[in-house]
Amino acid sequence: AQSVTQLGSHVSVSEGALVLLRCNYSSSVPPYLFWYVQYPNQGLQLLLKYTTGATLVKGINGFEAEFKKSETSFHLTKPSAHMSDAAEYFCAVSFPQGAQKLVFGQGTRLTINP
Amino acid sequence: DAGITQSPRHKVTETGTPVTLRCHQTENHRYMYWYRQDPGHGLRLIHYSYGVKDTDKGEVSDGYSVSRSKTEDFLLTLESATSSQTSVYFCAISEDSRRTDTQYFGPGTRLTVL
Repeated sequence: AQSVTQLGSHVSVSEGALVLLRCNYSSSVPPYLFWYVQYPNQGLQLLLKYTTGATLVKGINGFEAEFKKSETSFHLTKPSAHMSDAAEYFCAVSFPQGAQKLVFGQGTRLTINP
Repeated sequence: DAGITQSPRHKVTETGTPVTLRCHQTENHRYMYWYRQDPGHGLRLIHYSYGVKDTDKGEVSDGYSVSRSKTEDFLLTLESATSSQTSVYFCAISEDSRRTDTQYFGPGTRLTVL
């Protein structure tokens, strides 16, 4: 079975500080992993995804994530937070068969302090 | 941005009444999905469609039905709304069913059942 756990429902950082959002997964098959961002009153937007190949994945808006199989993790980072990064972030893993069905984590709300 | 619209964007209804939410896409994507978003649960799949008149259940399908008579439209119906169905509903589309595919999300419908 596939599942995703995001550690910390709320994360608060200062502008210019490192952003680290944690995601751990459980998957019975090699995982395909996604990070989505949701700005207030909007739908979800893909930040980045890991399928195969390079384990360090770069996404939009300066975010990146590293797939670590030994730790079953896919943490999202950004070296320097910007006020516009305030949003909710979701980690997801895709099912191994059938339609492209995603299992989402519970989300992490990121607050940026001036 | 992917051409996905949802209607209505907000709805307040009473327990026991039927409700239909509409998702409309202009991308001609084959796959369409309905999710609900609740605090602490992330997004959970309700139903999905893999073609006209082809649908299947997701994780939380009880109390919901769907229909897809045209490629561009995917309807979600609550036959008799309950307070537990108060939620934000998102439609998503994807071009194919590969695990690596990206899902594109609509802006959401906020439903309140009194």
